[in-house]
Amino acid sequence: AQSVTQLGSHVSVSEGALVLLRCNYSSSVPPYLFWYVQYPNQGLQLLLKYTSAATLVKGINGFEAEFKKSETSFHLTKPSAHMSDAAEYFCARSIFGNEKLTFGTGTRLTIIP
Amino acid sequence: EPEVTQTPSHQVTQMGQEVILRCVPISNHLYFYWYRQILGQKVEFLVSFYNNEISEKSEIFDDQFSVERPDGSNFTLKIRSTKLEDSAMYFCASRSPDVYTEAFFGQGTRLTVV
Repeated sequence: AQSVTQLGSHVSVSEGALVLLRCNYSSSVPPYLFWYVQYPNQGLQLLLKYTSAATLVKGINGFEAEFKKSETSFHLTKPSAHMSDAAEYFCARSIFGNEKLTFGTGTRLTIIP
Repeated sequence: EPEVTQTPSHQVTQMGQEVILRCVPISNHLYFYWYRQILGQKVEFLVSFYNNEISEKSEIFDDQFSVERPDGSNFTLKIRSTKLEDSAMYFCASRSPDVYTEAFFGQGTRLTVV
């Protein structure tokens, strides 16, 4: 089955520290991969996407993710956490460009002042 | 910036009642989706809609659910007879016909069945 696994349902980092949110996928064909962010009481906003071009993808708000086929991973990073980064982050996959998204269980990021 | 709009933002209904959740997708998009997120759980796919018909549905999307695009702008999700377990946040999403584009999500409708 095609799936997305996010390790760590809760991650806490200090303000200014590195943010690393993990995502692994299983897919029999090259996937399209996405990171979405959900701020409290809001909808899902796209942070970045991988569509088989460059393996290092830069997104909004200083986030980036690297597609590693050998590790079947698409981890999200940000060099320096900001208080405004506190939110829930979802990794998602689709097989083709217009197919449904399969989401991971989400990681709640807390920033410690 | 174009956005997907959902109404209402919050709906409370009694068990057994019918509810209609409404969405206005981005105007040039052709693919439409409903997802739901039960509190504390992951976002789950319900149904996709293209060319005025369902293109795919999950096992969650049983006979109690239906979707419609009645007038070329709105995209609705109807739950015929709500159950307590239908309580969730429901997200509408739309996508353009171009390849490599992402889905844009609405703010969601929080449905509470009592």
